[in-house]
Amino acid sequence: AQSVSQHNHHVILSEAASLELGCNYSYGGTVNLFWYVQYPGQHLQLLLKYFSGDPLVKGIKGFEAEFIKSKFSFNLRKPSVQWSDTAEYFCAVMYSSASKIIFGSGTRLSIRP
Amino acid sequence: GAGVSQSPRYKVAKRGQDVALRCDPISGHVSLFWYQQALGQGPEFLTYFQNEAQLDKSGLPSDRFFAERPEGSVSTLKIQRTQQEDSAVYLCASSLIRTDYTEAFFGQGTRLTVV
Repeated sequence: AQSVSQHNHHVILSEAASLELGCNYSYGGTVNLFWYVQYPGQHLQLLLKYFSGDPLVKGIKGFEAEFIKSKFSFNLRKPSVQWSDTAEYFCAVMYSSASKIIFGSGTRLSIRP
Repeated sequence: GAGVSQSPRYKVAKRGQDVALRCDPISGHVSLFWYQQALGQGPEFLTYFQNEAQLDKSGLPSDRFFAERPEGSVSTLKIQRTQQEDSAVYLCASSLIRTDYTEAFFGQGTRLTVV
């Protein structure tokens, strides 16, 4: 079945630490990949996306993600986190055969000031 | 409006009650999606409209769930005879075209609590 796995349920970091959030998806052919962020009390916002081309994609607020096809992964990274990055992060996949996005269960990121 | 608007923001329903959740998409957006997000989980797809046509309703969990978008703009998600397991946040998203998820904007959701 088509699915998305996020390895970490809750990550706690100090400010200026580096961040990597894992995301793996099940095989299903051609995929489009996304990371969404949900700040406390706010709606889901698109951080970045991969459709084709350069597998290293850059998004807003200094985030980037790398698509590694052989590993079915799309990990999110940020070299130096800030307190304002505290939020829930969702990895999502759209398979070319489907008309919907499939979301992972999310990773809650807490940043200690 | 400037974004996707959902109402009400919060709804408490007694078990067995019918509820209707409203979504006002961004003006001109062709595609509209409904998702259900249970506590501690990611959003789960419910249904998808392109204009007034409901093209995919594979995610609706039971025949108690019904969605419509009669004029291709505002959409309503109706849940009949609510059950406790229906408690969740219901998210609406809209986009210009189906495959262009870069333009998919989410509303703040309606938190439904069934007691």
